[in-house]
Amino acid sequence: DSGVTQTPKHLITATGQRVTLRCSPRSGDLSVYWYQQSLDQGLQFLIQYYNGEERAKGNILERFSAQQFPDLHSELNLSSLELGDSALYFCASSVTTGVVDEQFFGPGTRLTVL
Amino acid sequence: AQSVTQPDIHITVSEGASLELRCNYSYGATPYLFWYVQSPGQGLQLLLKYFSGDTLVQGIKGFEAEFKRSQSSFNLRKPSVHWSDAAEYFCAVGPYNTDKLIFGTGTRLQVFP
Repeated sequence: DSGVTQTPKHLITATGQRVTLRCSPRSGDLSVYWYQQSLDQGLQFLIQYYNGEERAKGNILERFSAQQFPDLHSELNLSSLELGDSALYFCASSVTTGVVDEQFFGPGTRLTVL
Repeated sequence: AQSVTQPDIHITVSEGASLELRCNYSYGATPYLFWYVQSPGQGLQLLLKYFSGDTLVQGIKGFEAEFKRSQSSFNLRKPSVHWSDAAEYFCAVGPYNTDKLIFGTGTRLQVFP
C-alpha cells in the first residue's frame, strides 16, 4: 500500500459525459501527479500540482482539467468523454517536486466510456 | 525529444532462471533513470533509480540495473526469478530539472514454474 488513495476504482459512463476522479496523496506529500495508461498510448504524464499550484503539464487534452485543493487532495475532471478516453488513470504523490523525489502511485481508476 | 524504448513487449522465463529486461533512452545529457513494476490491479512501485555515481544500482526485491552511457541503456537484471515477479515492468526517464517522468511501453514478464 503506497498510501495514495484514488476513488472510484472503476467508472463506467457514456460518451459525452463528464466525470471526476479523486486522489488523496500520502500524508505530507505536496506534489500530485496524474498519469493516463491506455493500450495505444502507454503510460503518459498528464499534469502535476504542487501545493495547490499547477507545476507541469504534459499531454493533457483541453477537455481535461485538474486542481489541487487546500487539503492537498486533487481532482481530475474529464469532460465530453470519448471512447478513446477509456483508460487507467493513476495519481502519484511525492514530498516535494522534481523527478529526484520518488513518486508513489495509487492503485488507479479504471474509466470505461461506452 | 526525450524518449524511452523497451524493445521487448513480452518475456517468458522459467522460475529460477536469470532475467534481463532491456531499456534504452534518448536524451541529450545523463537523465535520471527509473524502473517501476506494476502487478495486476496495482499501481506502480519503484524498484530502483539512478541519478549519478556507481553505474550499478541495487533495488528492492533482488533487482539491479546497470547504466551504460555509451549504449544509452539501463537494463534491469535479476539472477533468479520467482513466480511472484510476474508483472509488467516499466523503464522511465526523468529529464534533469523537470518534474515529469517519461515511461517506456513496458515489458510484461511471465514466469513458468
